[in-house]
Amino acid sequence: SAVISQKPSRDICQRGTSLTIQCQVDSQVTMMFWYRQQPGQSLTLIATANQGSEATYESGFVIDKFPISRPNLTFSTLTVSNMSPEDSSIYLCSVVGTGGSGANVLTFGAGSRLTVL
Amino acid sequence: GESVGLHLPTLSVQEGDNSIINCAYSNSASDYFIWYKQESGKGPQFIIDIRSNMDKRQGQRVTVLLNKTVKHLSLQIAATQPGDSAVYFCAETPYGNKLVFGAGTILRVKS
Repeated sequence: SAVISQKPSRDICQRGTSLTIQCQVDSQVTMMFWYRQQPGQSLTLIATANQGSEATYESGFVIDKFPISRPNLTFSTLTVSNMSPEDSSIYLCSVVGTGGSGANVLTFGAGSRLTVL
Repeated sequence: GESVGLHLPTLSVQEGDNSIINCAYSNSASDYFIWYKQESGKGPQFIIDIRSNMDKRQGQRVTVLLNKTVKHLSLQIAATQPGDSAVYFCAETPYGNKLVFGAGTILRVKS
């Protein structure tokens, strides 16, 4: 399965600033997914990033707050804009792999843990 | 490393015992159901999946059971080991490639 590298692995940010998270995959993939994992919670899909088109955002997430770039088939960035303490989370990049039953199983990066003060 | 499951339900088992982790899912249209394991400081890792037309599937030391009547999924881990300590998430695929994750359960293995 694909190997995913995320940067930064963790950061402490000041309220009102923005931070861009990078996701690099070792193979070309059509779709990349960005998830958020708030403290003590499960994973929630933010958006799907396709190369050559605008990202598709899930309900509750907007482009102005979480702009996404997808310049090629191996790379994507997620920016968390105008951060507040409520944005403190782990942000995870994922791509489609293959599961034992034929499911399109997602492979995840290690995540980027952001703490907003 | 930091825990990702500070507020999640916890299952504590003795090393060598079997573990059963349960999950209730919400969408009858899901084609696949998947179990993930998340260790501290890491992203979720695929364990096993099951298609909606099956009710049981076995892997190495793990078995997934699907009860569509009551929308219930379980993960059984045989002879639980300390390395099995992690947060376990179920996920379903109601919308193609998008995964919808369940709440998660912390598994603690006592030596």
